[in-house]
Amino acid sequence: AQSVTQLGSHVSVSEGALVLLRCNYSSSVPPYLFWYVQYPNQGLQLLLKYTSAATLVKGINGFEAEFKKSETSFHLTKPSAHMSDAAEYFCAVSGSGGYQKVTFGTGTKLQVIP
Amino acid sequence: DAGVTQSPTHLIKTRGQQVTLRCSPKSGHDTVSWYQQALGQGPQFIFQYYEEEERQRGNFPDRFSGHQFPNYSSELNVNALLLGDSALYLCASSPRTGGSEQYFGPGTRLTVT
Repeated sequence: AQSVTQLGSHVSVSEGALVLLRCNYSSSVPPYLFWYVQYPNQGLQLLLKYTSAATLVKGINGFEAEFKKSETSFHLTKPSAHMSDAAEYFCAVSGSGGYQKVTFGTGTKLQVIP
Repeated sequence: DAGVTQSPTHLIKTRGQQVTLRCSPKSGHDTVSWYQQALGQGPQFIFQYYEEEERQRGNFPDRFSGHQFPNYSSELNVNALLLGDSALYLCASSPRTGGSEQYFGPGTRLTVT
């Protein structure tokens, strides 16, 4: 069984400040990990993914995440928040074999304060 | 290259009715997964189709059924609608190789009154 826990349903940062969204996972097999972003009334867009290669993963829009097996974490960061980053962010986990379903966390809503 | 498309965009149904939602996967993808996203929640996995068969299923009742066509498009059917079925229904496609990212459509917003 796999699961993810996102710490903090709401996070507020000032424009230009560091963004840190926390995600911890649980998996009985080597996981693939993902961060998705969802803007209001839209579907989900992939920000980045970890698939057992480099532990530091760079994504779109300046986001990156680091896979830490010892901490079972996959936190999302961005050095400087922009107003356009305001959205809901979902961490997700899947296995690496065929026909893998993706299990999502409950989401973190990011507010950027001007 | 068209991404994942879903229809309709919005739908309003009455309790007890039946509904069919449609999804066309991204070009080159042959696996389709359906998710239910209730307001304020993360997407919940309903089921996944590949080669016109249901391959995996989440914790949803039999009222939720699906189909995949030879062109890889898919339908989600929900019978005997309940108020609690009101949600955004997301379709995602992926290539046959498992574990890679899923590409999501914009979703269908279903409201049950």
